[in-house]
Amino acid sequence: QSVLTQPPSVSAAPGQKVTISCSGSSSNIGNNYVSWYQQLPGTAPKLLICDNNERPSGIPDRFSGSKSGTSATLGITGLQTGDEAHYYCGTWDGRLGAFVFGTGTKVTV
Amino acid sequence: QVQLQESGPGLVKPSETLSLTCTVSGGSTSIYYWSWIRQPPGKGLEWIGYIYYSGSTKYNPSLKSRVTISVDTSKNQFSLKLSSVTAADTAVYYCARQGERSAEVDYWGQGTLVTVSS
Repeated sequence: QSVLTQPPSVSAAPGQKVTISCSGSSSNIGNNYVSWYQQLPGTAPKLLICDNNERPSGIPDRFSGSKSGTSATLGITGLQTGDEAHYYCGTWDGRLGAFVFGTGTKVTV
Repeated sequence: QVQLQESGPGLVKPSETLSLTCTVSGGSTSIYYWSWIRQPPGKGLEWIGYIYYSGSTKYNPSLKSRVTISVDTSKNQFSLKLSSVTAADTAVYYCARQGERSAEVDYWGQGTLVTVSS
């Protein structure tokens, strides 16, 4: 089981906003950068957010990330049907000496 | 643009060794960390481990006793070996690149399904 906990699912209407939480501890989120990934059905995950709140080139500003203490949050505004996917947080865990992913959240629009 | 492509058998017998290779194009394996990540059908992502171009490795503690990752910088390839496989190792296996500073996984292969079955 993962050391990073996410809600199993969130949903909202088109055009609305959702937030996805990622809860960890001082050995992971508390002392390391968090990244977020979008996995559309049948495809490989794609990097959405790195360094807690930075968007790689080509990622729309509808996606945002933040971190506070041992938790991180992904926000998606102006929801589109194309945003229906699974979303995962990820970070390094110093106690485990491994990269860890969150449990994943399914977003339904 | 960096591209990664996994290759290897799609079917492995129980107790045997799973072997996959990832070919990197558009970038050099002489920098960055090169990783393997897997996803059992219908489940979440599990980081298997990574290798740096120098050969240093880090493995998931839960798989460490069975995993070997190696790199061939001359061929721009890196490989995964997972020994003593069981049905629980059935998954889509992704090769990927991870950043040196903050470990973000910025490039992914398309993934290859490996089924463990007799």
